[in-house]
Amino acid sequence: NAGVTQTPKFRILKIGQSMTLQCAQDMNHNYMYWYRQDPGMGLKLIYYSVGAGITDKGEVPNGYNVSRSTTEDFPLRLELAAPSQTSVYFCASSYSGLAGGLGSPSEQFFGPGTRLTVL
Amino acid sequence: QKEVEQNSGPLSVPEGAIASLNCTYSDRGSQSFFWYRQYSGKSPELIMSIYSNGDKEDGRFTAQLNKASQYVSLLIRDSQPSDSATYLCAVTQTGTASKLTFGTGTRLQVTL
Repeated sequence: NAGVTQTPKFRILKIGQSMTLQCAQDMNHNYMYWYRQDPGMGLKLIYYSVGAGITDKGEVPNGYNVSRSTTEDFPLRLELAAPSQTSVYFCASSYSGLAGGLGSPSEQFFGPGTRLTVL
Repeated sequence: QKEVEQNSGPLSVPEGAIASLNCTYSDRGSQSFFWYRQYSGKSPELIMSIYSNGDKEDGRFTAQLNKASQYVSLLIRDSQPSDSATYLCAVTQTGTASKLTFGTGTRLQVTL
């Protein structure tokens, strides 16, 4: 059971290049999330998904796209990389939105992260 | 914009002492509260969750919640050097069962 995996671990992009950050989980979780974390800052939600075929924007979606064709995979696409997208990207997953009582989410489990630099 | 506020620190405590980490939140509709530990260069790791007012203990960790005061805290007893990390407070957003708002974290240093 690998949990949440992310590839690549590190990447340097030039301005205007595109790339896809991969995320996969083997825990049969239906909820998946993408966050970015800038130095000294908390985590900001980019996109999330409540199941295959269903995605929605988070707090900072501009410049990113996602898709969710399977329960296991939730890739994040950067189309035209900009220096402002230099950050550490974390993928997370959770079993469902309900745990510990009505209206309580279950715990989110994080992948190891991708450190992205755009020059 | 709903916020979660934490003192950035660093909070320095001697080995064996109690570390007290605090968090306030602005969203009165928040229902669930979490503490994550994040070592430098690593991903966040969930260490405590709390859903109702009062205290919840797990080993050396105690989470305390006061919804009326919109305040959640984490106590670490018998602090160890391995507890040195950044601790992130996270709360659920009103109207959603799964979206979290994170604080910026408090850096804890446990000194020998």
